[in-house]
Amino acid sequence: DVKVTQSSRYLVKRTGEKVFLECVQDMDHENMFWYRQDPGLGLRLIYFSYDVKMKEKGDIPEGYSVSREKKERFSLILESASTNQTSMYLCASSQEWAGGRIFGPGTRLLVL
Amino acid sequence: SQKIEQNSEALNIQEGKTATLTCNYTNYSPAYLQWYRQDPGRGPVFLLLIRENEKEKRKERLKVTFDTTLKQSLFHITASQPADSATYLCALDGGYSSASKIIFGSGTRLSIRP
Repeated sequence: DVKVTQSSRYLVKRTGEKVFLECVQDMDHENMFWYRQDPGLGLRLIYFSYDVKMKEKGDIPEGYSVSREKKERFSLILESASTNQTSMYLCASSQEWAGGRIFGPGTRLLVL
Repeated sequence: SQKIEQNSEALNIQEGKTATLTCNYTNYSPAYLQWYRQDPGRGPVFLLLIRENEKEKRKERLKVTFDTTLKQSLFHITASQPADSATYLCALDGGYSSASKIIFGSGTRLSIRP
């Protein structure tokens, strides 16, 4: 069964810590995405990548960076976690630009 | 600015009836529109994609319509079941010209009562 996996379901970090969220897909998809989801705000795109070592900013990239060293892996990095980055983080992949996104189970991050 | 609106209130439907969810958008000309299902604490699951030149698309008990004049999509679940209870998200995709920027609505929570 094809899938997207995320390294943690729940994570608690302290303000100022560097946080790594890992995402792996086994579908050989070109495109990978990181979103955050907050009540009332819906899903918002942080960064996306359409090829290895390529990355593009989404709508809310501030405070985040990404890394895609291998096709199947897309990492989201919070350089210095802040309380306003407490959220549900969702990774997704797709083969085509306009194709449906295949989402991972999400990581619920709490920054204290 | 671009905006997507879904039924703001939760929808409660009797089992067996048809559930209809609405997605309206403004200041946008999507090439594609997608629908997802999301269960609490989980990632969204892709259901259907409909293109701007398609009026209607069906998949089992699901039917989606896309009216680019009204700037609206309707999502129907026929013969609804309690297992259909979830939040349903619509998403607009501008296609290649928009560098794959999909915009998601906030979702409509659907409850099917037995």
